[in-house]
Amino acid sequence: QKEVEQNSGPLSVPEGAIASLNCTYSDRGSQSFFWYRQYSGKSPELIMSIYSNGDKEDGRFTAQLNKASQYVSLLIRDSQPSDSATYLCAARAAGKSTFGDGTTLTVKP
Amino acid sequence: EAGVAQSPRYKIIEKRQSVAFWCNPISGHATLYWYQQILGQGPKLLIQFQNNGVVDDSQLPKDRFSAERLKGVDSTLKIQPAKLEDSAVYLCASSLVGIAQYEQYFGPGTRLTVT
Repeated sequence: QKEVEQNSGPLSVPEGAIASLNCTYSDRGSQSFFWYRQYSGKSPELIMSIYSNGDKEDGRFTAQLNKASQYVSLLIRDSQPSDSATYLCAARAAGKSTFGDGTTLTVKP
Repeated sequence: EAGVAQSPRYKIIEKRQSVAFWCNPISGHATLYWYQQILGQGPKLLIQFQNNGVVDDSQLPKDRFSAERLKGVDSTLKIQPAKLEDSAVYLCASSLVGIAQYEQYFGPGTRLTVT
């Protein structure tokens, strides 16, 4: 079992829809969680961090954390073609961040 | 604020040759990370420094990989000798020590091809 698991996708949504990306983690000691966006051929870019249970909103992005279920999600509202990328989930425990393999999102005009 | 700088951006070498990558973190960032990202996978941590000291190198193949961070700023990652399976993008990232200490900022990466 991988420490951080994501559906590889691809996830395809129409422009203007809500994209929902999911992530589960195995280490119950994980305290910090991150979402990174990675365009093809580029490096990861931090878009959201979340440290406590519940929702955290930043513009069109909402991160949700449920530590009891060991589940993190990212919602992208009003999806745009420019949101098409691979989204990486990372969980930090014992001073080390572990990344999932990412979910590829395609937003169709 | 300047981002994380890395060089070279691309490198092609033959197996058994050596190669070195350089990273300059964001000014003031005490923590520096080197990751290996193979196509289709997430980044895998190779080594983490805080200032001059190594925090985690548990996944660094020490028989062929080495890294150093002199004076707590720039860092170099070396592979000697390279194997075909080392073909990957090598990412350097940095972060603050403090409230946002776990938020990592990545450089553009070095794409290594071993033939």
